[in-house]
Amino acid sequence: DAGITQSPRHKVTETGTPVTLRCHQTENHRYMYWYRQDPGHGLRLIHYSYGVKDTDKGEVSDGYSVSRSKTEDFLLTLESATSSQTSVYFCATRHLSGNTIYFGEGSWLTVV
Amino acid sequence: DQQVKQNSPSLSVQEGRISILNCDYTNSMFDYFLWYKKYPAEGPTFLISISSIKDKNEDGRFTVFLNKSAKHLSLHIVPSQPGDSAVYFCAAGSVSNFGNEKLTFGTGTRLTIIP
Repeated sequence: DAGITQSPRHKVTETGTPVTLRCHQTENHRYMYWYRQDPGHGLRLIHYSYGVKDTDKGEVSDGYSVSRSKTEDFLLTLESATSSQTSVYFCATRHLSGNTIYFGEGSWLTVV
Repeated sequence: DQQVKQNSPSLSVQEGRISILNCDYTNSMFDYFLWYKKYPAEGPTFLISISSIKDKNEDGRFTVFLNKSAKHLSLHIVPSQPGDSAVYFCAAGSVSNFGNEKLTFGTGTRLTIIP
C-alpha cells in the first residue's frame, strides 16, 4: 500500500468538457502512472512520470495530458471528454529501486 | 499488438483444488513478471513476482512458474479458497530499460472458486 488517494472517485461529465483526475501519494515514490481499465483490454498505460516535471506517453495517450509539479501529485486531464473515455482510471506508483507498482482505488468516469 | 496475453477470460475451480492461470508474452526484452489480483470496485493489488533469472517463485499458497523458452508463465493457487475469486492480471516489464520502466498488462482472467 503506497498511500495513494484518487479524486474524484466517481464523476459523470458531458462530452466536450475538460476533466481532471488527481492522484496523491504519501510514500515519496518517484514513479507515477495513469492506467485505464476497459473490458477486453485489461489495464493500458496512458501516461507516466519519472520525476517532477518529467512525464512521457504510454500506449493510449491521445486526448490526455498530465502534469506533475510536486512529487506527491500527478494530474490527468481529459482536454475535451469523449464517450470513448468512459472508463475506470487507476493511478499507480513505484519506488525508484523496486519493480512492483502499487495502485490506487480507481476513479470511475462516465462521459455522456 | 498485445504483448502480454491471457487467453482464458474466465476460470472456475472447486474450492480446495488447484487453480492454474496462464499468461503468454511476445517481447523477449521482458525480464520480470508480476501477478495482480483485483476485486470489484477496488484497485489491483500485488500478489507475486518473478525475475527471469528464476523459473519458480513461491509465496504461501501462490507459486509462479516461468518458462522463458516458451515465453509463458503461470500462477498456481493451492488450495483454492473462496476469497481467491477475483480478476487476475499478468504484467511484464524490463529492468534493462532503466529510467523508462513501465509494466505491460494482460487482459485479465476472472477466477471463480466454487464452494
